[in-house]
Amino acid sequence: DAGVTQSPTHLIKTRGQQVTLRCSPKSGHDTVSWYQQALGQGPQFIFQYYEEEERQRGNFPDRFSGHQFPNYSSELNVNALLLGDSALYLCASSSTGTGGLYEQYFGPGTRLTVT
Amino acid sequence: LAKTTQPISMDSYEGQEVNITCSHNNIATNDYITWYQQFPSQGPRFIIQGYKTKVTNEVASLFIPADRKSSTLSLPRVSLSDTAVYYCLVGVSGGYQKVTFGTGTKLQVIP
Repeated sequence: DAGVTQSPTHLIKTRGQQVTLRCSPKSGHDTVSWYQQALGQGPQFIFQYYEEEERQRGNFPDRFSGHQFPNYSSELNVNALLLGDSALYLCASSSTGTGGLYEQYFGPGTRLTVT
Repeated sequence: LAKTTQPISMDSYEGQEVNITCSHNNIATNDYITWYQQFPSQGPRFIIQGYKTKVTNEVASLFIPADRKSSTLSLPRVSLSDTAVYYCLVGVSGGYQKVTFGTGTKLQVIP
């Protein structure tokens, strides 16, 4: 049973560019959340998707957008990259409509470096 | 979500029991307490969740006093592989919500 998978593992982009990160949830899960984790900090909630809709959003600008597909996989898009967007981006999945604290399963993350 | 306060770091020798306390003074009636573990360059991993009194699983125990304003994660006989950051989170167990992680407690296990 595959857990949460994310791609790519690492990514280097230039300031001003756009990036797309991908996530496949754990089998049987239909809710996906995205987090940004800067070095030495805890994960910060970006947004959460369920039934292909954004259900909750953290304090992130509109440059951060997402999408969930019918197969429950999800994408995180970041436009007009800033140096401060350099971080580990984590995807977490959970079962139906919960997405709360109970047993979110996290992927290994995508390390984004903006130069 | 209720704000939590944890020690920034802790050191422990191998084989000892480690207790990490989390303060959550404004916990709400329907809030649960959840702990996650995170190794460097990996996503957090769920350890344990509880509402009151004591919860135990194969990895850890969680002690919650009657007033629920704090909780203690207990790791029995730690090994070097338990070196990680431990996060305490408080909130409802279900529903759509913004899950907030604090800075966590960095546990260093010493041989």
